[in-house]
Amino acid sequence: DQQVKQNSPSLSVQEGRISILNCDYTNSMFDYFLWYKKYPAEGPTFLISISSIKDKNEDGRFTVFLNKSAKHLSLHIVPSQPGDSAVYFCAASVVYEDMRFGAGTRLTVKP
Amino acid sequence: DARVTQTPRHKVTEMGQEVTMRCQPILGHNTVFWYRQTMMQGLELLAYFRNRAPLDDSGMPKDRFSAEMPDATLATLKIQPSEPRDSAVYFCASGFGGSTEAFFGQGTRLTVV
Repeated sequence: DQQVKQNSPSLSVQEGRISILNCDYTNSMFDYFLWYKKYPAEGPTFLISISSIKDKNEDGRFTVFLNKSAKHLSLHIVPSQPGDSAVYFCAASVVYEDMRFGAGTRLTVKP
Repeated sequence: DARVTQTPRHKVTEMGQEVTMRCQPILGHNTVFWYRQTMMQGLELLAYFRNRAPLDDSGMPKDRFSAEMPDATLATLKIQPSEPRDSAVYFCASGFGGSTEAFFGQGTRLTVV
Protein backbone atom coordinates (compact mmCIF):
# COMPACT_ATOMS: atom_id res chain seq x y z
CA ASP A 1 0.00 0.00 0.00
CA GLN A 2 1.82 3.06 -1.32
CA GLN A 3 0.80 5.84 1.03
CA VAL A 4 3.29 8.23 -0.53
CA LYS A 5 3.50 8.49 -4.30
CA GLN A 6 5.93 10.15 -6.61
CA ASN A 7 4.47 9.63 -10.04
CA SER A 8 7.34 11.04 -12.06
CA PRO A 9 10.29 8.65 -12.09
CA SER A 10 12.52 11.21 -13.75
CA LEU A 11 12.83 14.91 -14.50
CA SER A 12 15.33 16.77 -16.65
CA VAL A 13 15.87 20.54 -16.47
CA GLN A 14 18.37 23.05 -17.73
CA GLU A 15 20.87 24.61 -15.35
CA GLY A 16 19.53 27.86 -13.93
CA ARG A 17 15.87 26.93 -14.44
CA ILE A 18 13.38 25.81 -11.83
CA SER A 19 13.00 22.14 -10.88
CA ILE A 20 9.62 21.11 -9.50
CA LEU A 21 9.27 17.69 -7.93
CA ASN A 22 5.86 16.47 -6.90
CA CYS A 23 4.54 14.11 -4.27
CA ASP A 24 1.07 12.91 -3.30
CA TYR A 25 -0.03 11.11 -0.17
CA THR A 26 -3.14 9.24 0.84
CA ASN A 27 -2.98 9.10 4.64
CA SER A 28 -4.64 12.17 6.12
CA MET A 29 -2.98 11.42 9.47
CA PHE A 30 0.44 12.41 8.15
CA ASP A 31 1.52 15.63 9.80
CA TYR A 32 5.17 15.95 8.89
CA PHE A 33 6.72 15.83 5.44
CA LEU A 34 10.32 15.61 4.37
CA TRP A 35 12.44 15.56 1.26
CA TYR A 36 15.61 13.51 1.03
CA LYS A 37 18.27 13.59 -1.63
CA LYS A 38 20.26 10.54 -2.66
CA TYR A 39 23.44 10.25 -4.67
CA PRO A 40 24.57 6.88 -6.10
CA ALA A 41 26.20 4.52 -3.60
CA GLU A 42 25.25 6.76 -0.69
CA GLY A 43 22.42 6.80 1.79
CA PRO A 44 19.68 9.42 1.50
CA THR A 45 20.38 12.73 3.20
CA PHE A 46 17.80 15.05 4.67
CA LEU A 47 17.09 18.14 2.58
CA ILE A 48 14.08 20.04 3.90
CA SER A 49 10.88 19.40 5.84
CA ILE A 50 7.51 20.95 6.54
CA SER A 51 4.97 20.54 9.29
CA SER A 52 1.29 20.23 8.44
CA ILE A 53 0.59 23.52 10.22
CA LYS A 54 2.49 25.34 7.47
CA ASP A 55 2.00 25.56 3.74
CA LYS A 56 5.49 26.68 2.78
CA ASN A 57 9.02 26.28 4.04
CA GLU A 58 12.05 27.80 2.41
CA ASP A 59 15.76 27.06 2.80
CA GLY A 60 18.01 28.81 0.34
CA ARG A 61 17.33 27.52 -3.14
CA PHE A 62 14.89 24.91 -1.85
CA THR A 63 11.22 25.53 -1.08
CA VAL A 64 8.64 22.95 -0.11
CA PHE A 65 4.94 23.67 -0.59
CA LEU A 66 2.18 21.73 1.11
CA ASN A 67 -1.43 21.60 -0.02
CA LYS A 68 -3.25 19.61 2.64
CA SER A 69 -6.64 19.67 0.96
CA ALA A 70 -5.14 18.10 -2.14
CA LYS A 71 -2.76 15.88 -0.13
CA HIS A 72 0.03 17.15 -2.30
CA LEU A 73 3.47 18.59 -1.72
CA SER A 74 6.12 19.83 -4.04
CA LEU A 75 9.79 20.71 -3.88
CA HIS A 76 11.03 23.70 -5.88
CA ILE A 77 14.70 24.17 -6.61
CA VAL A 78 15.63 27.58 -7.96
CA PRO A 79 18.01 27.99 -9.66
CA SER A 80 18.83 24.38 -10.46
CA GLN A 81 22.49 23.41 -10.54
CA PRO A 82 24.25 20.35 -12.00
CA GLY A 83 25.17 19.29 -8.46
CA ASP A 84 21.48 18.95 -7.71
CA SER A 85 21.33 15.91 -10.01
CA ALA A 86 20.27 13.07 -7.71
CA VAL A 87 17.28 10.99 -6.74
CA TYR A 88 14.81 12.89 -4.55
CA PHE A 89 12.58 11.03 -2.14
CA CYS A 90 9.48 12.43 -0.57
CA ALA A 91 8.63 11.11 2.90
CA ALA A 92 5.72 11.53 5.28
CA SER A 93 5.13 10.61 8.87
CA VAL A 94 2.91 10.92 11.83
CA VAL A 95 5.16 12.58 14.37
CA TYR A 96 6.55 10.12 16.89
CA GLU A 97 5.86 7.27 14.49
CA ASP A 98 7.42 5.83 11.38
CA MET A 99 8.34 7.49 8.10
CA ARG A 100 7.00 6.38 4.70
CA PHE A 101 8.82 7.13 1.48
CA GLY A 102 7.81 7.50 -2.13
CA ALA A 103 9.50 5.71 -5.01
CA GLY A 104 11.77 8.66 -5.80
CA THR A 105 12.28 11.02 -8.74
CA ARG A 106 15.60 11.12 -10.56
CA LEU A 107 16.49 14.75 -11.30
CA THR A 108 19.02 15.55 -14.00
CA VAL A 109 20.21 19.13 -14.33
CA LYS A 110 21.91 19.74 -17.64
CA PRO A 111 24.70 22.32 -17.91
CA ASP B 1 31.97 12.50 13.06
CA ALA B 2 28.55 11.14 13.99
CA ARG B 3 27.13 8.84 11.37
CA VAL B 4 25.20 5.63 10.96
CA THR B 5 27.48 2.73 10.14
CA GLN B 6 26.29 -0.32 8.24
CA THR B 7 28.18 -3.54 7.63
CA PRO B 8 28.83 -5.17 5.31
CA ARG B 9 28.63 -2.69 2.45
CA HIS B 10 28.23 -5.50 -0.06
CA LYS B 11 27.13 -9.10 0.33
CA VAL B 12 26.78 -11.80 -2.30
CA THR B 13 25.28 -15.04 -1.09
CA GLU B 14 23.66 -18.15 -2.44
CA MET B 15 19.96 -18.76 -2.21
CA GLY B 16 19.05 -20.48 1.04
CA GLN B 17 21.90 -19.00 3.05
CA GLU B 18 21.46 -16.87 6.13
CA VAL B 19 22.32 -13.19 5.80
CA THR B 20 22.89 -10.81 8.70
CA MET B 21 23.19 -7.07 8.21
CA ARG B 22 24.37 -4.84 11.02
CA CYS B 23 23.81 -1.22 11.87
CA GLN B 24 25.40 1.05 14.42
CA PRO B 25 23.08 4.02 14.97
CA ILE B 26 24.32 7.47 15.93
CA LEU B 27 25.10 7.58 19.63
CA GLY B 28 22.16 8.94 21.57
CA HIS B 29 19.55 8.34 18.87
CA ASN B 30 16.65 6.32 20.20
CA THR B 31 14.87 5.44 16.96
CA VAL B 32 16.19 3.03 14.35
CA PHE B 33 14.63 2.27 10.97
CA TRP B 34 15.32 -0.47 8.43
CA TYR B 35 14.44 0.30 4.82
CA ARG B 36 14.85 -1.63 1.59
CA GLN B 37 15.37 0.17 -1.69
CA THR B 38 13.95 -1.39 -4.82
CA MET B 39 13.39 0.04 -8.27
CA MET B 40 9.62 -0.34 -8.13
CA GLN B 41 8.85 0.53 -4.53
CA GLY B 42 11.49 3.07 -3.71
CA LEU B 43 12.30 2.99 0.00
CA GLU B 44 10.14 0.40 1.74
CA LEU B 45 9.94 0.49 5.51
CA LEU B 46 10.72 -2.93 6.92
CA ALA B 47 10.82 -2.24 10.64
CA TYR B 48 11.54 0.40 13.21
CA PHE B 49 12.54 0.50 16.85
CA ARG B 50 12.22 3.07 19.57
CA ASN B 51 14.32 2.68 22.69
CA ARG B 52 15.25 -0.78 21.35
CA ALA B 53 11.63 -1.96 21.31
CA PRO B 54 10.14 -2.96 17.95
CA LEU B 55 7.23 -0.66 17.15
CA ASP B 56 6.35 -1.79 13.66
CA ASP B 57 7.70 -4.66 11.59
CA SER B 58 4.66 -5.11 9.39
CA GLY B 59 6.74 -4.40 6.29
CA MET B 60 8.88 -7.48 6.77
CA PRO B 61 8.13 -10.96 5.42
CA LYS B 62 7.77 -12.59 8.83
CA ASP B 63 8.65 -16.08 7.75
CA ARG B 64 12.19 -15.19 6.73
CA PHE B 65 13.10 -11.76 8.06
CA SER B 66 13.85 -10.77 11.63
CA ALA B 67 15.08 -7.52 13.16
CA GLU B 68 16.53 -7.02 16.60
CA MET B 69 18.38 -4.51 18.74
CA PRO B 70 20.56 -6.48 21.14
CA ASP B 71 21.75 -3.19 22.63
CA ALA B 72 21.50 0.53 21.96
CA THR B 73 24.57 0.50 19.72
CA LEU B 74 23.60 -2.37 17.43
CA ALA B 75 20.65 -3.20 15.23
CA THR B 76 20.53 -6.34 13.11
CA LEU B 77 18.44 -7.46 10.17
CA LYS B 78 18.55 -11.15 9.41
CA ILE B 79 17.22 -13.07 6.42
CA GLN B 80 16.95 -16.84 6.69
CA PRO B 81 16.68 -18.41 4.19
CA SER B 82 17.59 -15.78 1.60
CA GLU B 83 15.98 -15.75 -1.83
CA PRO B 84 16.94 -14.01 -5.10
CA ARG B 85 13.99 -11.60 -4.71
CA ASP B 86 15.64 -10.27 -1.53
CA SER B 87 18.37 -8.71 -3.66
CA ALA B 88 18.25 -4.99 -2.93
CA VAL B 89 20.00 -2.25 -1.00
CA TYR B 90 19.12 -2.27 2.69
CA PHE B 91 19.39 0.99 4.61
CA CYS B 92 19.46 1.62 8.29
CA ALA B 93 18.60 5.05 9.64
CA SER B 94 18.51 6.54 13.11
CA GLY B 95 16.97 9.59 14.74
CA PHE B 96 15.46 11.05 17.88
CA GLY B 97 11.95 10.24 18.96
CA GLY B 98 9.75 13.24 18.25
CA SER B 99 12.09 14.55 15.59
CA THR B 100 11.42 12.72 12.39
CA GLU B 101 14.54 13.68 10.50
CA ALA B 102 16.46 10.45 10.10
CA PHE B 103 20.13 9.95 9.32
CA PHE B 104 20.88 7.13 6.93
CA GLY B 105 23.79 4.78 6.65
CA GLN B 106 25.42 4.02 3.33
CA GLY B 107 23.46 0.83 2.92
CA THR B 108 24.20 -2.84 2.39
CA ARG B 109 23.88 -4.04 -1.18
CA LEU B 110 22.67 -7.61 -1.03
CA THR B 111 22.79 -9.95 -4.00
CA VAL B 112 21.28 -13.41 -3.65
CA VAL B 113 22.19 -15.77 -6.50
